[in-house]
Amino acid sequence: DTAVSQTPKYLVTQMGNDKSIKCEQNLGHDTMYWYKQDSKKFLKIMFSYNNKELIINETVPNRFSPKSPDKAHLNLHINSLELGDSAVYFCASSQDLGENEQFFGPGTRLTVL
Amino acid sequence: GQNIDQPTEMTATEGAIVQINCTYQTSGFNGLFWYQQHAGEAPTFLSYNVLDGLEEKGRFSSFLSRSKGYSYLLLKELQMKDSASYLCAVDGAGSYQLTFGKGTKLSVIP
Repeated sequence: DTAVSQTPKYLVTQMGNDKSIKCEQNLGHDTMYWYKQDSKKFLKIMFSYNNKELIINETVPNRFSPKSPDKAHLNLHINSLELGDSAVYFCASSQDLGENEQFFGPGTRLTVL
Repeated sequence: GQNIDQPTEMTATEGAIVQINCTYQTSGFNGLFWYQQHAGEAPTFLSYNVLDGLEEKGRFSSFLSRSKGYSYLLLKELQMKDSASYLCAVDGAGSYQLTFGKGTKLSVIP
C-alpha cells in the first residue's frame, strides 16, 4: 500500500483557472506538508499542518490554501493560476512536527499554460 | 533566516567514495536531514543528525558539526543507482518546518 499518495500525477491547465491537488496518507501521522519544487529542483516548504495548527510559509501567495477534511488528508487549492505556479508539488507527512522523518508523496507536476 | 549551501553537481566513479558537503547558517537549529531524490521521483529519507559526530548506516554515513554549521554525507562503494540529487535540510528550532538546500546532483560514472 502506498504510504503517501497524491492525485493527479499530472495537471495541465490554463492561466486563471482554479485547481486542487489531493493528498492522503495512511501512516497514521499527525502532521502533513506541502512543498513546491521549481524547475531548478529547489524544494521549498509551503505549509505544514496538524490537527492543532497551520503554519504558512510567509512567501506563499494567498491564492494557495490547504484544506484538511481529516487527519489523513491535506488538499491544496490554488486559485487564479499563474504561469509561475508551474512546478512539481509534493505532499509529505511525519509523525509530528519538527524532527521526525518526512515521507513524501510521488508529486504532482502542474503545468500552467 | 535560513541559508543552506551545498555544491550543485558532483561526479564520481563507480566503486569510489564521495563526500557531499553542506554548510548552514540558521536562526535556530534542531537537527539536519539528508534526503535522496532520483530524477522524477519523490525525496526519500537517508539520515538525521542531532548531535555532533558521525552516524553510519550501511554504505551511507552522515556527519554533523553544530559549532561549525557543517555536515557531510559520505557514500562508499558507489553504485550506478546512487546517481541522484542529495538534499541537505535543516530543522530549525521553533519553526517546525524543514528548509532544504538546493541539492547536489551526483553522477556516478563507470
